Order: sequence, then structure tokens, then C-alpha cells
Amino acid sequence: DAKTTQPNSMESNEEEPVHLPCNHSTISGTDYIHWYRQLPSQGPEYVIHGLTSNVNNRMASLAIAEDRKSSTLILHRATLRDAAVYYCILRDVEENTPLVFGKGTRLSVIA
Amino acid sequence: EAGVAQSPRYKIIEKRQSVAFWCNPISGHATLYWYQQILGQGPKLLIQFQNNGVVDDSQLPKDRFSAERLKGVDSTLKIQPAKLEDSAVYLCASSLVAFLTFNYGYTFGSGTRLTVV
Repeated sequence: DAKTTQPNSMESNEEEPVHLPCNHSTISGTDYIHWYRQLPSQGPEYVIHGLTSNVNNRMASLAIAEDRKSSTLILHRATLRDAAVYYCILRDVEENTPLVFGKGTRLSVIA
Repeated sequence: EAGVAQSPRYKIIEKRQSVAFWCNPISGHATLYWYQQILGQGPKLLIQFQNNGVVDDSQLPKDRFSAERLKGVDSTLKIQPAKLEDSAVYLCASSLVAFLTFNYGYTFGSGTRLTVV
């Protein structure tokens, strides 16, 4: 599996934007970039995914670098409920492999 | 829609005992996964089912772990006998037809927290 690199932890103030980075320098042309998050005592939940273009949904935005070697998950206004571990995962659409989780980034939100 | 149901929520057993976890996926989801999450780590895949057939069980410790998915719906994961290092959260997830999952997210249950003493 192609690998991703994320910071171990980040901190944000409530109601401010948060940019969570992910490096994936060995990404292949058929790898989708997926983001999941895991709230305390819960299973992971889907956040967003993309291939080449930037993506927006009600939870977040995903900004993908032009060379696709990095991406950023953007939470536009962090709330206390956004405190979680965020996982950036590459998944090859052609190989149909299951999600492979790394350690992710633990986001703390300060009131 | 109802989420992925798992039970029990917590389980404490002594080493060498047996334990079983149950998962009921979202209705209509053909693919079911069991993950093991050790404290401080990301979830690790144990087994993947497509309907009632096993797609990938390469990381399942088959000397002590077993899993089945009867009739392509509910699934059970069993550990026999348990070791101290099996202490973890066991997560079940489901998704629509596997080859389409790059477009569809996984839905996870809340997991079963197993403590082996």
C-alpha cells in the first residue's frame, strides 16, 4: 500500500479554521485520498475523499496539491466536537484493497 | 438508516478463556470487515467478507481467531484461547459492494473493548 505521513498531533482554538496536512509522495495515479476521523470511544467515520480536484462537503474540504503528493483536510470552523484522530488513507480503486489505517493526527480543540 | 450494531460493548476475560463478538451490518451492505485496534494505534484489518465468503483473512491469527458470516448478514468473531496481547477494541465495518467502495465510505460500529487479564 502507498503510505501517508501525518503529524502526530495538532491543536486548534475553537471556531478557527484547521488545516490537517498529509504527505503521500509515492501516490499512484489510481489512488484515491480518503479521510476518516475517530471520535473518542467510537469507530472511525468517513469525512471526505478525492482524486485530483479539491472537494467540499458539509463536514470539511479537501485540498489536493497539483502533483498529488500532498493534501490538506480543512475544517472551516473547529468545534469541540471536532476533537478526534484524523486518518489520511490512500486507496487504489483498481486493486480494491481494504482501508489501511496509520496512526493519524490527534486534533485537540481548545475552548 | 440504522448504523452498524456491535455487542457486547465491553468484555473482560481471563487469559486462555474464549470470547465472541457479534456484528450486524447496515442492511444491504454486502461487504463486512473486522478490525482490531490496540490502544494508541490505528485500526488493523483482521478479515474481510463479501456476502458470506472470505475475501481477505491474511492478517487473522488463525490459530486462535475465527470468524464467520452466516447468510451474508450478521457476523461473529471468536478468540479461543485469548492472550493478554488480544486486549484491544474490535471494530466491525460494512460497505456497499466492495468494488465500488472507493465511492462509498465504510460505516463502522462503536466496537467491543476487550480486556484480557
